[in-house]
Amino acid sequence: NAGVTQTPKFQVLKTGQSMTLQCAQDMNHNSMYWYRQDPGMGLRLIYYSASEGTTDKGEVPNGYNVSRLNKREFSLRLESAAPSQTSVYFCAVRGGGAQETQYFGPGTRLLVL
Amino acid sequence: SQKIEQNSEALNIQEGKTATLTCNYTNYSPAYLQWYRQDPGRGPVFLLLIRENEKEKRKERLKVTFDTTLKQSLFHITASQPADSATYLCALDVRGGKLIFGQGTELSVKP
Repeated sequence: NAGVTQTPKFQVLKTGQSMTLQCAQDMNHNSMYWYRQDPGMGLRLIYYSASEGTTDKGEVPNGYNVSRLNKREFSLRLESAAPSQTSVYFCAVRGGGAQETQYFGPGTRLLVL
Repeated sequence: SQKIEQNSEALNIQEGKTATLTCNYTNYSPAYLQWYRQDPGRGPVFLLLIRENEKEKRKERLKVTFDTTLKQSLFHITASQPADSATYLCALDVRGGKLIFGQGTELSVKP
């Protein structure tokens, strides 16, 4: 069991370029989340998906789009990258039922020049 | 809006001592609070969850308290070891399965 996987591990973009961050889980849980982590700011929720076919905005959604392709996969897209989007991005999966624990992927480090 | 704050400065302690980390929050009444550990270059890893009707929770050398009147949680690591050095994050549930995270406290345990 890989748990939560993210690709790529590291990416450099130029301002205005687009890219998609991929997240996949083999835990068979419904809820998936995208966070960004910046120094001194903690983890901030970008978007989440309570189940396949549904997505909702979090605290900092501007400049991002998401797609819940199926139960396993939740992707985050930057249509026109900006230097302010330089960050570490984490995908997380929430345990089912009464299990509120979130399981995180290893992260994608994004640098926008 | 909800606000959550942890010890703003890094915590340095000697091996064998008890580390105590603080998490304070305002403007909310969470159903539960969680603590995570994060090592450099890695994703956070869940440690403990404590519910609003629980005063204290223990797991091996870890202990968490939750005071809903003070709006505060304390996280203790007893008999600390250098391997406990990491950043510790507290997180509040804000319903719908969403969490708000504190900025984290960096703990360094010196041999």
